[in-house]
Amino acid sequence: KAGVTQTPRYLIKTRGQQVTLSCSPISGHRSVSWYQQTPGQGLQFLFEYFSETQRNKGNFPGRFSGRQFSNSRSEMNVSTLELGDSALYLCASSLRMGLAAADNEQFFGPGTRLTVL
Amino acid sequence: QKEVEQNSGPLSVPEGAIASLNCTYSDRGSQSFFWYRQYSGKSPELIMSIYSNGDKEDGRFTAQLNKASQYVSLLIRDSQPSDSATYLCAVTGGYQKVTFGIGTKLQVIP
Repeated sequence: KAGVTQTPRYLIKTRGQQVTLSCSPISGHRSVSWYQQTPGQGLQFLFEYFSETQRNKGNFPGRFSGRQFSNSRSEMNVSTLELGDSALYLCASSLRMGLAAADNEQFFGPGTRLTVL
Repeated sequence: QKEVEQNSGPLSVPEGAIASLNCTYSDRGSQSFFWYRQYSGKSPELIMSIYSNGDKEDGRFTAQLNKASQYVSLLIRDSQPSDSATYLCAVTGGYQKVTFGIGTKLQVIP
């Protein structure tokens, strides 16, 4: 079974630009979550999509948005980039179909390293 | 109070010893608990999940859950230098977001 894929793997942008990141989950997984990881801050939750609907949302400004398509692929967009947006952006794929731990295991993609100059 | 707390470390153990990693959480409604390993420059990799109180073993790894004390731990037996990484504890309940701790950096000294 193919794992989670993320594109692109690396991005360099300048302040004020916008960026779109893509995530393809494991086949059969309907949940995609996005995280921002920076040194010292750990994994910060951005949002989760399940069957094309935003199920959970973190405490990030409105510049960060996402969506999910009918094939469960998800995109994340950051508008008006700031220097502080430089980070590793990770997406995680999960079944999220039940309450047991095994139903909620998340599997991460390799991440997109975003550098804002 | 942080939702999921871990000591950032580093935790240093000699090769062959048992490494004990700890995590506490604040939401009593939490139901599912996870341990991830993250090597420098890589994405997190799931080690194991646990749902019920008690111990769950998988090879050299044992996860321990105590819901009354809101405490979950990971034991690594016969630690190897290749176990040197950051270990992330994660927690969720129902269909709420999965919340991660800051991670504990483990160093296994040859």
